Amino acid sequence: AQSVSQHNHHVILSEAASLELGCNYSYGGTVNLFWYVQYPGQHLQLLLKYFSGDPLVKGIKGFEAEFIKSKFSFNLRKPSVQWSDTAEYFCAVISSNDYKLSFGAGTTVTVRA
Amino acid sequence: ETGVTQTPRHLVMGMTNKKSLKCEQHLGHNAMYWYKQSAKKPLELMFVYNFKEQTENNSVPSRFSPECPNSSHLFLHLHTLQPEDSALYLCASSQNRQEAFFGQGTRLTVV
Repeated sequence: AQSVSQHNHHVILSEAASLELGCNYSYGGTVNLFWYVQYPGQHLQLLLKYFSGDPLVKGIKGFEAEFIKSKFSFNLRKPSVQWSDTAEYFCAVISSNDYKLSFGAGTTVTVRA
Repeated sequence: ETGVTQTPRHLVMGMTNKKSLKCEQHLGHNAMYWYKQSAKKPLELMFVYNFKEQTENNSVPSRFSPECPNSSHLFLHLHTLQPEDSALYLCASSQNRQEAFFGQGTRLTVV
């Protein structure tokens, strides 16, 4: 069964700092990869996705992620965070063989003004 | 507004009650999902339906019973729940294996 690991439970940083959140998955076949964000009191929203092609994908709000197939990783980055980036971030994976969209445990990001 | 609507938004029920959660999507998607989101725990996939057929049941207790009468509607029937079932229940839909769109969730409290 596929699984998704997010390395950090809680990240605290100051405005303008750079952010990188790790995500690894365990599945040997073809996958679609996603990062979702959940702002306080709001629903889960898509930040970015990777299906195929250029392994460096850009999403909304200045976020980007890099797919490294050999490492089974899909890390999320933002060069300079803002206070409004305070939220919970989830990595998700779905394989090409089924409809099982699996999520990581999530990382809470707190940005201090 | 995501195109996925869940009702009710909040539900308090006793352990002997029977209630149902409803999810509706107007996005024309073929897959629908139920997830459980508890504090300090990962998002747990409960059930997946693809074209009204259940494709995943993640070892969910039988006190949770899903129903998908058509590709736009998904229900979660609840009976004889336990206090530990208190959580946020999220519905999502997607087209094939593309990004999922989530509803606002139903905050369930079992007393």
